[in-house]
Amino acid sequence: DVKVTQSSRYLVKRTGEKVFLECVQDMDHENMFWYRQDPGLGLRLIYFSYDVKMKEKGDIPEGYSVSREKKERFSLILESASTNQTSMYLCASSLQGIIEAFFGQGTRLTVV
Amino acid sequence: AQRVTQPEKLLSVFKGAPVELKCNYSYSGSPELFWYVQYSRQRLQLLLRHISRESIKGFTADLNKGETSFHLKKPFAQEEDSAMYYCALSPNNAGNMLTFGGGTRLMVKP
Repeated sequence: DVKVTQSSRYLVKRTGEKVFLECVQDMDHENMFWYRQDPGLGLRLIYFSYDVKMKEKGDIPEGYSVSREKKERFSLILESASTNQTSMYLCASSLQGIIEAFFGQGTRLTVV
Repeated sequence: AQRVTQPEKLLSVFKGAPVELKCNYSYSGSPELFWYVQYSRQRLQLLLRHISRESIKGFTADLNKGETSFHLKKPFAQEEDSAMYYCALSPNNAGNMLTFGGGTRLMVKP
């Protein structure tokens, strides 16, 4: 059974802090994704990685960066957290050719 | 660039009524289309994909390339179908990007 695990279920951070959201998958998937989920806006892609050290910007990359040093781990970094980054963040992974994406349980981030 | 639109944020029906959740897309090539579902307090998960032409939990979806639509249908809604439904698109190439729509909340009333 595929498992995508996000390191935190809930996070509260202060404005200006550097924030790390971690995601690990255990099925040797090539693709990994970070989305943010907001009511009425659905899921918006922040970044996508199709291989180690490879990344592509999604629809809303501003204010975020990512790191993929190992195949199983994909980190989302908020360089300087702002209140408009308060959201639910979802990580997902899939095999090359994207037949199905598997999602983590989500991290609800609140920036105060 | 690809785009997915779900025009209804909320759809409320009574148990036993037919359900249709609308999805329209824009993409210049031939995409792969999916429906994902998120039940309360659960992870987002795949419901069905157009290439499989399958029926899952009584739901079906037909890709209409002329109308660029991929509507999700079920003839008789059940209370356990209440959830958030997301339509998603992936380009049919090596890109592997997965783009989602805004989602539709389906509420099935008893």
